[in-house]
Amino acid sequence: QKEVEQNSGPLSVPEGAIASLNCTYSDRGSQSFFWYRQYSGKSPELIMFIYSNGDKEDGRFTAQLNKASQYVSLLIRDSQPSDSATYLCAVTLRGKLSFGAGTTVTVRA
Amino acid sequence: EAGVVQSPRYKIIEKKQPVAFWCNPISGHNTLYWYRQNLGQGPELLIRYENEEAVDDSQLPKDRFSAERLKGVDSTLKIQPAELGDSAVYLCASSLGGQGGYEQYFGPGTRLTVT
Repeated sequence: QKEVEQNSGPLSVPEGAIASLNCTYSDRGSQSFFWYRQYSGKSPELIMFIYSNGDKEDGRFTAQLNKASQYVSLLIRDSQPSDSATYLCAVTLRGKLSFGAGTTVTVRA
Repeated sequence: EAGVVQSPRYKIIEKKQPVAFWCNPISGHNTLYWYRQNLGQGPELLIRYENEEAVDDSQLPKDRFSAERLKGVDSTLKIQPAELGDSAVYLCASSLGGQGGYEQYFGPGTRLTVT
């Protein structure tokens, strides 16, 4: 079982819609949760982090964490073409950050 | 504030040749990480330093890979000899410190091609 799992996509959404990305993790002891955005040919860029259950909003992004279900999600509101990228979910456990394979999002104009 | 700096950005070498990558972390960040990212996958940790000490090198292929972080700032990652399967992007990241609970920021990466 992979430590962090994501749907690979691609997830195609129309401009202005909400993109919803999901991530599950295998170890209940996982402590911190991150979302990175990675444009093609570029390195990962941290866009959100969440440490406790519930929702955390930052601009058009909302991260949601449910530790009981071992589930973390990212919502992108009012999606723009510039949001087209691969989104990586990452989870820390005992000091190690483990990444999912990423979900590719395409925002169509 | 300057971000994580890496060099070179691209490197093409023949198999069995040595190669080295350099990383300068964000100023004040005590923890430094080296990752390898293959196409279509997330980054995989190779080694984590807290100051000068390598605290997690369990995923570093020690027969051919080595790393150092002298004086707890810059770091180098070396591969000798390189194999075809080493072709990947090598990413350096840094964080303020601690058990990985702090946010990690990545450099631009070095794209290695082994022919």
